Amino acid sequence: GAGVSQSPSNKVTEKGKDVELRCDPISGHTALYWYRQRLGQGLEFLIYFQGNSAPDKSGLPSDRFSAERTGESVSTLTIQRTQQEDSAVYLCASSLDSSGQYNEQFFGPGTRLTVL
Amino acid sequence: GNSVTQMEGPVTLSEEAFLTINCTYTATGYPSLFWYVQYPGEGLQLLLKATKADDKGSNKGFEATYRKETTSFHLEKGSVQVSDSAVYFCALSESGQNFVFGPGTRLSVLP
Repeated sequence: GAGVSQSPSNKVTEKGKDVELRCDPISGHTALYWYRQRLGQGLEFLIYFQGNSAPDKSGLPSDRFSAERTGESVSTLTIQRTQQEDSAVYLCASSLDSSGQYNEQFFGPGTRLTVL
Repeated sequence: GNSVTQMEGPVTLSEEAFLTINCTYTATGYPSLFWYVQYPGEGLQLLLKATKADDKGSNKGFEATYRKETTSFHLEKGSVQVSDSAVYFCALSESGQNFVFGPGTRLSVLP
């Protein structure tokens, strides 16, 4: 595909359940980012992957959140024991690389997570 | 740490009005600055960027100038259209690893 894709587009879950969100970056993009966007608020950085380097996990809000990336392809964001405050849109973005700060991030459409 | 502050919305304008959305930043180094736009029902997309002081980014009639002395990157457009209705996000990045976004400003343009 031409752009970043995310699945599912919507996820409704019960409090305490685990959820897994998927991101397919643009082919050839080595950098991948996850953000959280709560209703009416800006983007909150969660985690960043660059090639085979150790990911920057500094934005993950708690140990219930984790993410993996296989090489330079698909990434999954896992939220364990979901809480109502986890309800948000989770956005994934990829860029060609992050060796400089000049590279545009291309965003996916997001996954809207609702925790009941 | 780095941060971005934007004027609070929503901003409501009539078609052909002049638009300014203020953005100021705090950074320890020399970041690149960006404006992203999110149209209704769509994902974020880059609108324009500037990578060093005094650079002017421009796209689709929008402009923003990187002002190091005032740590600002205000977005302007001379004549807005209904199709410009969207949420606009100011952002910075020092290393390309961690982008810091402002809270967003919702713009509504009325015909």
